[in-house]
Amino acid sequence: DAGVIQSPRHEVTEMGQEVTLRCKPISGHDYLFWYRQTMMRGLELLIYFNNNVPIDDSGMPEDRFSAKMPNASFSTLKIQPSEPRDSAVYFCASSWQGGIETQYFGPGTRLLVL
Amino acid sequence: EDKVVQSPLSLVVHEGDTVTLNCSYEVTNFRSLLWYKQEKKAPTFLFMLTSSGIEKKSGRLSSILDKKELFSILNITATQTGDSAIYLCASRNSGNTPLVFGKGTRLSVIA
Repeated sequence: DAGVIQSPRHEVTEMGQEVTLRCKPISGHDYLFWYRQTMMRGLELLIYFNNNVPIDDSGMPEDRFSAKMPNASFSTLKIQPSEPRDSAVYFCASSWQGGIETQYFGPGTRLLVL
Repeated sequence: EDKVVQSPLSLVVHEGDTVTLNCSYEVTNFRSLLWYKQEKKAPTFLFMLTSSGIEKKSGRLSSILDKKELFSILNITATQTGDSAIYLCASRNSGNTPLVFGKGTRLSVIA
């Protein structure tokens, strides 16, 4: 398996623009997690899905952030409009029901909002 | 609110030194504690601990959990420059809940 796939790997955009981050989890995994990592705050869970259903989105910073999982092999995290304080590395991770702790992380998307 | 605190935040050692990284947690209905290593990219899984006093070992790395005192340590012996990374500790309570991560310890091993 190729592991968790994220795209793009890097994104530079201007404040106010819409940003869409994409994730393909490991096949057969039924949990998908979106994290954000900054120097100041460390790794923060934004939202997670179980069997494509959002379970907990309490970590989503505000209404500018939204996430979807239309099927078992694809998820998006959208920021609209983006702000400079959204600059961070965004990780997607997946795991399976029998081993939710052992999360496999994607390579991350490094986002810079100017 | 569940919380995981790691110390120190940053550490610089020489090759060959032994280091101990600390992780304390406050988790309702604790289930497991995990250690991850993050180099330049994504975190990679190291250990999962569920029982007190049982050491998990992988090469020069080892970890142990104390459920009474609510902490875990990660030991690295004979450190190498390739051990330089951020080490993340995370905890999970019972049920299908996600992990709560600490802010990490940045370890730098210099030759």
